[in-house]
Amino acid sequence: NAGVTQTPKFQVLKTGQSMTLQCAQDMNHEYMSWYRQDPGMGLRLIHYSVGAGITDQGEVPNGYNVSRSTTEDFPLRLLSAAPSQTSVYFCASSYSASRNTIYFGEGSWLTVV
Amino acid sequence: AQSVTQLDSQVPVFEEAPVELRCNYSSSVSVYLFWYVQYPNQGLQLLLKYLSGSTLVKGINGFEAEFNKSQTSFHLRKPSVHISDTAEYFCAVSENYGGSQGNLIFGKGTKLSVKP
Repeated sequence: NAGVTQTPKFQVLKTGQSMTLQCAQDMNHEYMSWYRQDPGMGLRLIHYSVGAGITDQGEVPNGYNVSRSTTEDFPLRLLSAAPSQTSVYFCASSYSASRNTIYFGEGSWLTVV
Repeated sequence: AQSVTQLDSQVPVFEEAPVELRCNYSSSVSVYLFWYVQYPNQGLQLLLKYLSGSTLVKGINGFEAEFNKSQTSFHLRKPSVHISDTAEYFCAVSENYGGSQGNLIFGKGTKLSVKP
């Protein structure tokens, strides 16, 4: 059981480049989400999904796109990277958007130069 | 809107001493409450959660927390810390209704440093 898997773990981008952070879970979880973590800021919600085909914005969605074509995968796309998007990104999932435990991936360290 | 305040950004403590990490929240609806731990360069691990029932919640690694509704607090405690408890600790809340229940609002974190 792999849990929540994020790739890549480390990435350096140039300003204006695009990339996709991958997130996959093998627990048949309906709910998935993306957070970013910045020093002294805690984690902030970017986008979330309560099931395949359904996505919604969180607290800091600007500059990011998501889609949920399957239950297992929830990729996060940066269309035109900016230095302000330098951060650590965490994907999370849970069985449903309710009382269940939320599981986090190991994180993806992104640097935009 | 919900918010979470962790009152201490850093807490230094000696090994085998007790520790309390403070967390206050603000919300207009009932909430679920969580504490997560993050070791360096790792993801978040759930320590404990309060959903309903007993206000004293016991978690992993000897940690416990008490939900105080009147003071809107959810402080984390451990009676005797170890070097291995050195990590960053995050308090988080989610609303107790609707499709946003899985969305967590995090505090800014408290770095616990345990010294020998």
